[in-house]
Amino acid sequence: KAGVTQTPRYLIKTRGQQVTLSCSPISGHRSVSWYQQTPGQGLQFLFEYFSETQRNKGNFPGRFSGRQFSNSRSEMNVSTLELGDSALYLCASSSTGGSYEQYFGPGTRLTVT
Amino acid sequence: GQQLNQSPQSMFIQEGEDVSMNCTSSSIFNTWLWYKQDPGEGPVLLIALYKAGELTSNGRLTAQFGITRKDSFLNISASIPSDVGIYFCAGPHYGGSQGNLIFGKGTKLSVKP
Repeated sequence: KAGVTQTPRYLIKTRGQQVTLSCSPISGHRSVSWYQQTPGQGLQFLFEYFSETQRNKGNFPGRFSGRQFSNSRSEMNVSTLELGDSALYLCASSSTGGSYEQYFGPGTRLTVT
Repeated sequence: GQQLNQSPQSMFIQEGEDVSMNCTSSSIFNTWLWYKQDPGEGPVLLIALYKAGELTSNGRLTAQFGITRKDSFLNISASIPSDVGIYFCAGPHYGGSQGNLIFGKGTKLSVKP
């Protein structure tokens, strides 16, 4: 089975712009979660989608949003980028059975200048 | 809120040495997960633990689910250079959904100079 894929792998944006990141989960996985990883804060949960519905949201401002499509692929969007949004954004998928085991993609490295 | 504390924060290994690290919390966890992250990549799931007292192995890696359910341990036997990386413990956020994990800040393994 192919693993979780994320595109693009690297992105450079300017403050104030917006960005959309994409994630394709492992085939058959319907739960997709997004995390932000920074040296200072570590891995922090952004949100989780299941069957096209946001099931849970972390403590991030409304500039961070996401969605999931009927094929379980997911996108996250960050509007009005700030310098502090520079981070590695990781997507993870889980199987439908309720397992907590999450499988991560390689991440998208976002740099905001 | 829930927090996972990992120790040590960093350690140096010499090939052939055994390595131990742990993860503690003031809250009870029902699942413990151990991940390894290499530079520029997403975390890779190593071991999942579901029952207090459980001891699970994956090759040279052995992890234990603490009896109090507030801690977990990871041991690496006969370390090799490719063991270098950052090891994270994780557990489900209390009251959160399947895809909402809390992560420790990691234990960084480096090679002894």
